[in-house]
Amino acid sequence: QVQLQESGPGLVKPSQTLTLICTVSNDSISSGNNHWTWIRQTAGNGLEWMGRIFTTGSTRYNPSLKSRVTISLDSSENQFSLSLSSVTAEDTAVYYCARGPLRGGSVAFDVWGQGTMVTVSS
Amino acid sequence: DIQMTQSPSSLSASVGDRVTISCRASENIFSYVNWYQQMPQKAPKLLIFGASNLKSGVPSRFSGSGSGRDFTLTISSLQPEDFATYYCQQSYTTPHTFGQGTKVDIK
Repeated sequence: QVQLQESGPGLVKPSQTLTLICTVSNDSISSGNNHWTWIRQTAGNGLEWMGRIFTTGSTRYNPSLKSRVTISLDSSENQFSLSLSSVTAEDTAVYYCARGPLRGGSVAFDVWGQGTMVTVSS
Repeated sequence: DIQMTQSPSSLSASVGDRVTISCRASENIFSYVNWYQQMPQKAPKLLIFGASNLKSGVPSRFSGSGSGRDFTLTISSLQPEDFATYYCQQSYTTPHTFGQGTKVDIK
C-alpha cells in the first residue's frame, strides 16, 4: 500500500529555515492526479493546510504563510519537500505530508505520513 | 478563507449510541467536504469524501450528508474504537481549511 514518511530535524532555531522531506513508497509522485500536500497541527490552531504541489510541479500555498513556504518535487528520489523560512515559536507543530487524489475537481487526503514534531527554540 | 465551524466541540456518548457531528461552512461549498478521524498521537484518517462517499474499508456505520453550507457526520452505533476526534475539511478552494474538531469520549 502507499506509504508516506516525513523526515527532518526535530529542533530548529528561531529565524532559521525548516526543511522537511516526505518519502513516498508504492506510488509515483511524478504521475497520476495527486496533490502532494503539507499539513501541520498545533494545539492552538488545529489542522492547517500549508500548501501542495501537483504532479506537474505546479504549487499553491496558504496565504497565511506569506512568502515563507516552498514545496518542491524530487522525482529521482520520489520525494517532495517543505521549506519554511524565518521560523518562530508559532511554527512549532506536528508536520504531516499527505496525498490528495484529485477526483471530480475535489481533493481528499487519503494517505498521511505519521507526522513529525518540530520545535522552534533557541 | 472559508471558515469551517464544527459543533459540538466535544461530546460524551456510550457504546451503541447514535452520534451526529455538524459542520457549517462560511459560504456555499456545494459537496466539497471531507471528514477525518484522528486518534491520539496519530495522523488523521479519511472517512468520508465528497460529503457522502464512504472511503473503501471504512465501516458502514459512518455516513455523511449535506450540501451547500451545512454538513453532518453520523455514526449510527458507536463502537469502542470510535472514540476519537473528528474533523471536517473543505476542498472547494484553497486554502483547504479544517474545522476545529469534535472530540468524542466515553460517557
